[in-house]
Amino acid sequence: DAKTTQPPSMDCAEGRAANLPCNHSTISGNEYVYWYRQIHSQGPQYIIHGLKNNETNEMASLIITEDRKSSTLILPHATLRDTAVYYCIVLYNFNKFYFGSGTKLNVKP
Amino acid sequence: DSGVTQTPKHLITATGQRVTLRCSPRSGDLSVYWYQQSLDQGLQFLIQYYNGEERAKGNILERFSAQQFPDLHSELNLSSLELGDSALYFCASSVGQGDNQPQHFGDGTRLSIL
Repeated sequence: DAKTTQPPSMDCAEGRAANLPCNHSTISGNEYVYWYRQIHSQGPQYIIHGLKNNETNEMASLIITEDRKSSTLILPHATLRDTAVYYCIVLYNFNKFYFGSGTKLNVKP
Repeated sequence: DSGVTQTPKHLITATGQRVTLRCSPRSGDLSVYWYQQSLDQGLQFLIQYYNGEERAKGNILERFSAQQFPDLHSELNLSSLELGDSALYFCASSVGQGDNQPQHFGDGTRLSIL
């Protein structure tokens, strides 16, 4: 099972922040939340991951709620090249990723 | 560029045939993972190898097999091919096998069965 719920699609204006939500209400205490994206049919690209604390890298920020039942991926200044399918993944059963359907982010000029 | 290399990029063959897909992981990575992405199934985990040994299995068919060689490259063998095997096949690698280590994906092999 996916263990995550994401909206099927979202729109974002170029230059604005894109906030992508993910619900993972059945997450266990030691399960990580990962975010990947896939542009067209290219290989999925790793974005960021976290366990409990908020994380930030050069691509994005990850905000995890205190109860860990949901998270938000933030792309601070979306560009047209950020148009992709974004996958929120809870790592389960020892390193088996389940990608689910993801959120199609459309960045518009 | 993720550093994971997959060959060939495209493969066209017929039903009943056998093919081999190849993956070279990033330098230093010991784990290799195989995934299948078809239009109606999304990205599905097939199998994982760590330092030459099978570590985890997903929804891999018995007609499919994989191995990881001493130089850490991996091959996915698909036999008795069916039309439904047409898909993108991705390889990923990671440093180890822990939960705190992201997988990095190659650009995939597109397999078309005619």
